[in-house]
Amino acid sequence: GESVGLHLPTLSVQEGDNSIINCAYSNSASDYFIWYKQESGKGPQFIIDIRSNMDKRQGQRVTVLLNKTVKHLSLQIAATQPGDSAVYFCAEGGENTGNQFYFGTGTSLTVIP
Amino acid sequence: SAVISQKPSRDICQRGTSLTIQCQVDSQVTMMFWYRQQPGQSLTLIATANQGSEATYESGFVIDKFPISRPNLTFSTLTVSNMSPEDSSIYLCSVEGTGLNTEAFFGQGTRLTVV
Repeated sequence: GESVGLHLPTLSVQEGDNSIINCAYSNSASDYFIWYKQESGKGPQFIIDIRSNMDKRQGQRVTVLLNKTVKHLSLQIAATQPGDSAVYFCAEGGENTGNQFYFGTGTSLTVIP
Repeated sequence: SAVISQKPSRDICQRGTSLTIQCQVDSQVTMMFWYRQQPGQSLTLIATANQGSEATYESGFVIDKFPISRPNLTFSTLTVSNMSPEDSSIYLCSVEGTGLNTEAFFGQGTRLTVV
């Protein structure tokens, strides 16, 4: 399958600070990207998505940036809270990959109160 | 969104035995997927479960080891056959959202330990 990797495997931030999690993907044909949050003992939960015709999308406290030129994706979490502590995965997929998703390595985010 | 129920949620199995994991969705979905998540690692796609035809396996996964059933549009099973300790993982069922280019929804996973 495609190779999707993360630059930082772990990240610790102070509560209230902003967090940035990065992801590199390899398949230029991917046209849909998702960030998932996985808490211990649970399945991945959708956070935010972005399509390849966009370079930025904002949700509640989260922003995803897509740079197709360098095949890079990032997740920004504003005012990080203890409840944000989890492992975050980026996934690439979309119509061009048969709606199958390929996941990055994962970044473990720890929020320090 | 889709509600996905997986069972068992966890199991401890003897090597050489097989375990069948069930995945039930609360709505009809065209595509269902099975992932493996080894300890401390990301999710790896095992196969796409197709209704009415054989599953489509990713590189490194074969039907003899991971037979999959998809008898209807709301249910699928994954069997982990002739288990070894290396098969200890979390196995997750996933379904696509409605329409193209939509998020995938996940079950809670089955935590398998092979001893």
